[in-house]
Amino acid sequence: NAGVMQNPRHLVRRRGQEARLRCSPMKGHSHVYWYRQLPEEGLKFMVYLQKENIIDESGMPKERFSAEFPKEGPSILRIQQVVRGDSAAYFCASSPVPEETQYFGPGTRLLVL
Amino acid sequence: AQKVTQAQTEISVVEKEDVTLDCVYETRDTTYYLFWYKQPPSGELVFLIRRNSFDEQNEISGRYSWNFQKSTSSFNFTITASQVVDSAVYFCALSEAYGQNFVFGPGTRLSVLP
Repeated sequence: NAGVMQNPRHLVRRRGQEARLRCSPMKGHSHVYWYRQLPEEGLKFMVYLQKENIIDESGMPKERFSAEFPKEGPSILRIQQVVRGDSAAYFCASSPVPEETQYFGPGTRLLVL
Repeated sequence: AQKVTQAQTEISVVEKEDVTLDCVYETRDTTYYLFWYKQPPSGELVFLIRRNSFDEQNEISGRYSWNFQKSTSSFNFTITASQVVDSAVYFCALSEAYGQNFVFGPGTRLSVLP
């Protein structure tokens, strides 16, 4: 059973460009969570999605960030007009039901030049 | 509001020493879950343990053991006979009853020296 997949593993963008981060949950998991880890810091919750629904986006910045989890395909975290402060590791996690353990993907390291 | 505190920012031990990583949490929920994750230098997050608030039994898994004390809101993690491969950042995390999001502690960086 493959684990949580994230791609790309590393992403370099120039200021003002768009970043798209993809997450494929573990088989049988329909709950996806995104977290951001700034350098030398812990993880901060961003958003929780089920298929086609955003359940909790209380940790998402109000502007430039969006997330989706379509009926088919991976979950996408989209950052528009990236700035240097967006440089971080973005982790995706999935679980079969909300109260079960969240299993994390390897993360996407975003670097904004 | 939920909060997780890991007061030890960095710990260094010599191989074969025992080491305990502290975790103190705050929550108003009566049902909650506590977790430990390991983040080795390669960067991925490795799940170690999940404990629900109604189960205060201590757990042992090989060289790892966990001490859950509801009375002091602590969920400490002990590594016995540490090894160099244990060097990593360890995160304690808390989730509410329906696990909608985790609150992570800031992490403790453990360095095990040969």
